[in-house]
Amino acid sequence: EVQLLQSGGGLVQPGGSLRLSCEASEFAFPTYAMTWVRQAPGKGLEWVSSITSISDSGLRTYYADSVKGRFTISRDNSKNILYLQINSLRAEDTAVYYCARGSRGANYVFDSWGQGVLVTVSS
Amino acid sequence: EIVLTQSPATLSLSPGERATLSCRASQSVGSYLAWYQQKPGQTPRLLIYDTSNRATGIPARFRGSGSETDFTLTISSLEPEDFAVYYCQQSRSWPLTFGGGTEVEIK
Repeated sequence: EVQLLQSGGGLVQPGGSLRLSCEASEFAFPTYAMTWVRQAPGKGLEWVSSITSISDSGLRTYYADSVKGRFTISRDNSKNILYLQINSLRAEDTAVYYCARGSRGANYVFDSWGQGVLVTVSS
Repeated sequence: EIVLTQSPATLSLSPGERATLSCRASQSVGSYLAWYQQKPGQTPRLLIYDTSNRATGIPARFRGSGSETDFTLTISSLEPEDFAVYYCQQSRSWPLTFGGGTEVEIK
């Protein structure tokens, strides 16, 4: 069974930083595109960032405008871990952050999700 | 950015009834439209991808249809476990976007 185990959430002050991790198991992690999606308390889903797989020609990353320049997505295919480095945090970044696996044949449709970690930005 | 508008925001129905959820895109997404179900305190679950393809393990009572800008998720006969929030999502172009969700609640 596909497993995506997340860690790294917590309470951080405005302007602070965090690194979220998503450890993948039971599937060929390097060959799947991966994505971060967030959900503010009581709100809907918001796409944050995606990263391509080794199967694509060249590693590419994509970001929502709201996080561009502040968030960095990366992956360590040797460790099967997806990361999201989040800097210059703002109150509006408070949300549950999910990592999600792209579906085979539909890279940016998400067939498996991590359990989510809460990031709270508050002084 | 492609904006996805879901309607209605809330759908009040009884078990056994048919649910019809709408997702309208601000510009064509072709067939690159997916649907997810999310129950309180749970992670989203993929139901439908590429407009009409059911994901692994999804019951046949869930049916997706539509094209270009107008899409529908139909649940033919609601089971107790189907009461949840449903989101559509487009993967036609960056940025990826989700609709605001439709809550299907028990009447």
